[in-house]
Order: sequence, then structure tokens, then C-alpha cells
Amino acid sequence: SQTIHQWPATLVQPVGSPLSLECTVEGTSNPNLYWYRQAAGRGLQLLFYSVGIGQISSEVPQNLSASRPQDRQFILSSKKLLLSDSGFYLCAWSWRYSSYEQYFGPGTRLTVT
Amino acid sequence: AQKITQTQPGMFVQEKEAVTLDCTYDTSDQSYGLFWYKQPSSGEMIFLIYQGSYDEQNATEGRYSLNFQKARKSANLVISASQLGDSAMYFCAMREVTDTGGFKTIFGAGTRLFVKA
Repeated sequence: SQTIHQWPATLVQPVGSPLSLECTVEGTSNPNLYWYRQAAGRGLQLLFYSVGIGQISSEVPQNLSASRPQDRQFILSSKKLLLSDSGFYLCAWSWRYSSYEQYFGPGTRLTVT
Repeated sequence: AQKITQTQPGMFVQEKEAVTLDCTYDTSDQSYGLFWYKQPSSGEMIFLIYQGSYDEQNATEGRYSLNFQKARKSANLVISASQLGDSAMYFCAMREVTDTGGFKTIFGAGTRLFVKA
């Protein structure tokens, strides 16, 4: 079976500090990978998606970046956090050639102070 | 550009009654997929139901059914026999094909459902 992991579960960081959130998927290969952000009480905003190693598509220009160094690893980063980066970050994966559901990780709640 | 609209920020329903959560979408694609997800207070996203644009029958999954009206571009979620555990945020979403051959999902703003005992 497939599982998706995200860490850390919660994070409190000061403005201007760097960020690294990690997401890994087990039990599948060549997945599509996604990073979403959810502001408090709001819907999900797609930040990045990847169809393969080193292939990153950005949906929203911002001070965040993503990388996929391995097939089942997806990393969300920032060099300097802003207050507006606070939110709930969800990683998700889907089968490469399926238009069916996405499977979400447990999320990381980031608070920038 | 594709868009998902959920016009009900919050809904109340009495336990054991049915409730309909509205969703309309906008796309020029002929092939697309529509989804509903549930997000309880824990934050996890739980897949509920899927409807393909070429599916002629409305999708059903247990107490969940999707009222798909293609001409009106609506995909409403119907929850029958509401339970207290149904209290959560519900998101309508649409899948589109990307330029790189993958898939990405666009989400609506969500509807918060409150089930009253």
C-alpha cells in the first residue's frame, strides 16, 4: 500500500528565517507530486506540482520554491519567510497517468512570527 | 482558466436529514474530473467522491452522491442521513491536464457544514 509522509507536523519560525518542508511517498513509483497551501478558513491553493525528478511547475509567484531530488521526495523551501507564508501546507501525490484522486499527507502547520 | 465556485460559506443541517452542498465549475475542456473532499478539524483531506465528465450516471459512494448537471456546469454533493461526524469543511475540486502531461487539481473555497443534534 502507499503512504505519504510530511514533516514536521507543526513549525513556528521567525520572519526572515529559512524554511524546509519535506514530503515523501512510499509504495509507488513515478508519482505526480503537489504542494498546496491553505490559509486559515480558506480553500487550497496549488503552489507547485511535479511530474518527475527535477521537473517543477510553479503556479503562484512567491518567495517559495520546490525541489524533487528523488522520485518520491518533494521539498518546499524558502530562503526568507514572510508573515504571509503562515498557513497549512499539504503535500499530495497521484498516479502518473490517472485523472483520479489525489492522496494527501497529514499537513504541516506553519506559523511565521 | 478553470474555476470552481462554492457559494455557501457555511451550512447547517439537522442530524439524520439530507443536505446539498453546491458547486459550479467553469472549463473549456471536454474531458475533466470533479471531486469532493472532506476536511475535518484535524486538517487531513479525505476523498469522498469522483465524477468524470463523460460519466452518464451520477456518482454515488455510500451516503454521498454527486448531482452532476453537465449543461449547467454544476456538481453538487448530496449527503443523506447526516451524522454528527459529517461536521467538517467540504471542498469541490476539478482536475485538469497540465502542459507536461500530468494532472493538477483546482479547489473551491469550501463550505463548512455543521450538523446539529
